[in-house]
Amino acid sequence: DAKTTQPNSMESNEEEPVHLPCNHSTISGTDYIHWYRQLPSQGPEYVIHGLTSNVNNRMASLAIAEDRKSSTLILHRATLRDAAVYYCILGGGANNLFFGTGTRLTVIP
Amino acid sequence: EPEVTQTPSHQVTQMGQEVILRCVPISNHLYFYWYRQILGQKVEFLVSFYNNEISEKSEIFDDQFSVERPDGSNFTLKIRSTKLEDSAMYFCASTRLGRLQSPLHFGNGTRLTVT
Repeated sequence: DAKTTQPNSMESNEEEPVHLPCNHSTISGTDYIHWYRQLPSQGPEYVIHGLTSNVNNRMASLAIAEDRKSSTLILHRATLRDAAVYYCILGGGANNLFFGTGTRLTVIP
Repeated sequence: EPEVTQTPSHQVTQMGQEVILRCVPISNHLYFYWYRQILGQKVEFLVSFYNNEISEKSEIFDDQFSVERPDGSNFTLKIRSTKLEDSAMYFCASTRLGRLQSPLHFGNGTRLTVT
């Protein structure tokens, strides 16, 4: 499985935007970039995914670098409920998700 | 919104006992998964299931583990003879399309404690 690198932890103030980075320098042309998050005591939850173009949905935006070697998950206004571990995962043709250690986001009231 | 449901939420069993963890995937989903997460560690893939057979399994999924879809709604994980190191959260997931073309939906897990 292709490797991603994320910071272990980040902090954000409530109601401010959060930019969660992910490096994936060995990404292949067919690898989609998937983001999931895991709130405390819950199962992982889908956030967003994309291939080349930036993507937006009701939860977040995904900005993908032109060379696709990095991406950024953007939460436009962090709430306390967004405190979670965020996972950036590459899924090139695989049927399964392989989770790394992710970024633990702390939201400060 | 439809959800993946898992029962029980917490299961305590003695070492060497058999345990069955149950999941009801979302009704129009075709691909089913089990993952586990040992306390403080990563979420680990165990097995995927499609068209009534195992598609892929990890090294963790040894002969002590089995999966079954006994009817049109349930998806179960059986551990034949539990070991202390099987203590973990077990997550079931389902999705409609293969190759991650649609998001995986996860249940909230069963906490298995082996004593």
